Amino acid sequence: GAVVSQHPSRVICKSGTSVKIECRSLDFQATTMFWYRQFPKQSLMLMATSNEGSKATYEQGVEKDKFLINHASLTLSTLTVTSAHPEDSSFYICSGPGELPWNEQFFGPGTRLTVL
Amino acid sequence: QQPVQSPQAVILREGEDAVINCSSSKALYSVHWYRQKHGEAPVFLMILLKGGEQKGHEKISASFNEKKQQSSLYLTASQLSYSGTYFCGTAIGTSYGKLTFGQGTILTVHP
Repeated sequence: GAVVSQHPSRVICKSGTSVKIECRSLDFQATTMFWYRQFPKQSLMLMATSNEGSKATYEQGVEKDKFLINHASLTLSTLTVTSAHPEDSSFYICSGPGELPWNEQFFGPGTRLTVL
Repeated sequence: QQPVQSPQAVILREGEDAVINCSSSKALYSVHWYRQKHGEAPVFLMILLKGGEQKGHEKISASFNEKKQQSSLYLTASQLSYSGTYFCGTAIGTSYGKLTFGQGTILTVHP
């Protein structure tokens, strides 16, 4: 399967600071990537769809001004958590879709964000 | 709308079998199954498409009842490595990879 990397794998920051998470597709090009958030012992919740060359599409209830997504190239999408607060502490995972008709999701290893 | 998984948790001894179910209230294009271990990303197990095609690991089997919009994952002769949380993800139409995940089923396999 295709490989997706994320950086950093773990980040601890102080409340009020901004954190950027990078998601890279290493061996395929992705015009679309997905960002999920997972709280402890809960499911993966889709936050937004990142689109290369256009604005991201956010799911209902996700603040687009707080979670800034930029799809800079066909291999890089970034998620910036602005003015992070302790309630933003979570596991953030990106994924890139495979080819039709399968749409298999290739997940990155995830980023554990802890906001103090 | 989030698909519903059952059971919420299963405890097995090595070698035993288990079935995990996933049910949706919407007409599905595909059902995806993943296993996640603590602190790690989900690992792909199986994809089932509307119409009957499926792709996945050899040791994993699953079914998709399109009439009922239900899918089942069959784990046979379980191994310790099967322990983890199993998620089904559903796609509506060809919404290019956008998945809605169920709440998860925790599977624990004991020696």
